[in-house]
Amino acid sequence: GAVVSQHPSWVICKSGTSVKIECRSLDFQATTMFWYRQFPKQSLMLMATSNEGSKATYEQGVEKDKFLINHASLTLSTLTVTSAHPEDSSFYICSAHPGLAGGQFFGPGTRLTVL
Amino acid sequence: AQTVTQSQPEMSVQEAETVTLSCTYDTSESDYYLFWYKQPPSRQMILVIRQEAYKQQNATENRFSVNFQKAAKSFSLKISDSQLGDAAMYFCAYRTSYDKVIFGPGTSLSVIP
Repeated sequence: GAVVSQHPSWVICKSGTSVKIECRSLDFQATTMFWYRQFPKQSLMLMATSNEGSKATYEQGVEKDKFLINHASLTLSTLTVTSAHPEDSSFYICSAHPGLAGGQFFGPGTRLTVL
Repeated sequence: AQTVTQSQPEMSVQEAETVTLSCTYDTSESDYYLFWYKQPPSRQMILVIRQEAYKQQNATENRFSVNFQKAAKSFSLKISDSQLGDAAMYFCAYRTSYDKVIFGPGTSLSVIP
């Protein structure tokens, strides 16, 4: 099946700094990627839809200036958490699908801890 | 807006037995996809099974099968011959016409040896 990678898998940063998370589709091109956030023992919450070559579409309640998304190529989307605070600590997951009918393929996730 | 509900926060099953996880959804769309995803402790999301709404036949993947009732907007997952490796969080999910996937709250499945 299709493979999606994320980097880093775990990051710890100080409050006020910015953190960039990369999401790559390894064996297919993805014009659209999705970013989710998951708190412990909760479900995945869609944050935004990343569109190659255009602006991301954010879900209601998600601060676009806080969570910057760039979809620079058909295989790479990045999520930058700007001026991170402890409440931004969470598990961030990206996904993409090859464009065929069916389910999305998920990256392994990134655990962000803000001190 | 579409919503997905899973009424069983936790379930348990004896090894080798069968268990059914429930899911209901709400939508005004006529064509859509439904999925069950598994999230083990590693937190990697794994696609278990999918169902196209226009297909009346229930999907089956080895020990996993679904009972899709479109009129009732119900989409349950049956796991037969449960194995220890089936222990995980299971999420029912709905894919909208805009390709967004909406997840239910999840069911934590324990498998008792």
